[in-house]
Amino acid sequence: QKEVEQNSGPLSVPEGAIASLNCTYSDRGSQSFFWYRQYSGKSPELIMSIYSNGDKEDGRFTAQLNKASQYVSLLIRDSQPSDSATYLCAVIGTGRRALTFGSGTRLQVQP
Amino acid sequence: NAGVMQNPRHLVRRRGQEARLRCSPMKGHSHVYWYRQLPEEGLKFMVYLQKENIIDESGMPKERFSAEFPKEGPSILRIQQVVRGDSAAYFCASSPVQNTEAFFGQGTRLTVV
Repeated sequence: QKEVEQNSGPLSVPEGAIASLNCTYSDRGSQSFFWYRQYSGKSPELIMSIYSNGDKEDGRFTAQLNKASQYVSLLIRDSQPSDSATYLCAVIGTGRRALTFGSGTRLQVQP
Repeated sequence: NAGVMQNPRHLVRRRGQEARLRCSPMKGHSHVYWYRQLPEEGLKFMVYLQKENIIDESGMPKERFSAEFPKEGPSILRIQQVVRGDSAAYFCASSPVQNTEAFFGQGTRLTVV
């Protein structure tokens, strides 16, 4: 079982729709969770961090964490073509003190 | 407020040569992480360093790869006797403390010919 799992996609949504990206993790003791965005040929860019169960909102982005079910999700409201990128879920587990990344979900927002 | 600075941005080496990749963390950050990304693949953790100390090198290949983060100067990822399979993007990230968000540099694209 991979430490951090994401559906590779592509996830295709129309412009203006809500994009929902999901991630599961294997280390039940994990405490820190992050979403990064990576455009093709560029470096990862931090979007959100979340540490507690529940929702955290920042502009059009909402991160959701459910530690009991070991999943974290990212919702993007009013999706724009400029949101088209690969979204990386990252977790800091109990044994590793650095970010462990999922393989990413490619999002395509259709104009 | 400069971000994480990596150089060079692009590096071409012949098989058997050495590659040295440099990373200067953000101001105030003393934790540095190196990741490797192969084309169309995810980010693979290599090593985590704090000033003058290697904290976690569990992702580093056992041979040819080494990393350091001296008291003064940038962090260096060194790859000796490069092979074609070392061709990848190498990213450095930094954070101010442990267990918190990390910010990435622009990466070094290494091509071994």
